Amino acid sequence: GESVGLHLPTLSVQEGDNSIINCAYSNSASDYFIWYKQESGKGPQFIIDIRSNMDKRQGQRVTVLLNKTVKHLSLQIAATQPGDSAVYFCASTGAGSYQLTFGKGTKLSVIP
Amino acid sequence: DAGVIQSPRHEVTEMGQEVTLRCKPISGHNSLFWYRQTMMRGLELLIYFNNNVPIDDSGMPEDRFSAKMPNASFSTLKIQPSEPRDSAVYFCASSLADRGHGYTFGSGTRLTVV
Repeated sequence: GESVGLHLPTLSVQEGDNSIINCAYSNSASDYFIWYKQESGKGPQFIIDIRSNMDKRQGQRVTVLLNKTVKHLSLQIAATQPGDSAVYFCASTGAGSYQLTFGKGTKLSVIP
Repeated sequence: DAGVIQSPRHEVTEMGQEVTLRCKPISGHNSLFWYRQTMMRGLELLIYFNNNVPIDDSGMPEDRFSAKMPNASFSTLKIQPSEPRDSAVYFCASSLADRGHGYTFGSGTRLTVV
């Protein structure tokens, strides 16, 4: 997986607006994808997952879109709230593997 | 369900000392993972166990690191001797075999080696 590096990509959104966080993955054999939210001082928390036989999955206020052609994953958060401020990671794993490969995190800042 | 439990939450130790991090996975989960998180490298998988057996330890940095899982409800990650570059947050995660439930992470142990 990619390293986060010293400077995380940052997305700033106004409270109430929709947020879109993007992620590119490199392994075409990946068949299971997860979005995690990590708040300061805490471990990554599962948000939503999607299998490669789907291109869209919706949860409560969140939607994940998968484009296998370009190996791209996105997380959409509707009506973003201050509590959504965190670092968001995408992760993937391949068939028969339990190992997660994490992508670069994106820091979401919600402006009240 | 108390989730994945890690201890200690914070550890400060001197270079050269032995450090042991502990993890209790979620009951019924049969896969357990140790990750390390730093600003430079992000989240790195160190080792994972399936049914208490180490399956892949290729992520373990060097021989100073070792991990054990003596039973389904307990795992340790040991660093001996510790070095300042080992300073990081170490996470334990567990999952069910079918992967459909995702992975549950603990709150992590923040290790500082001075």
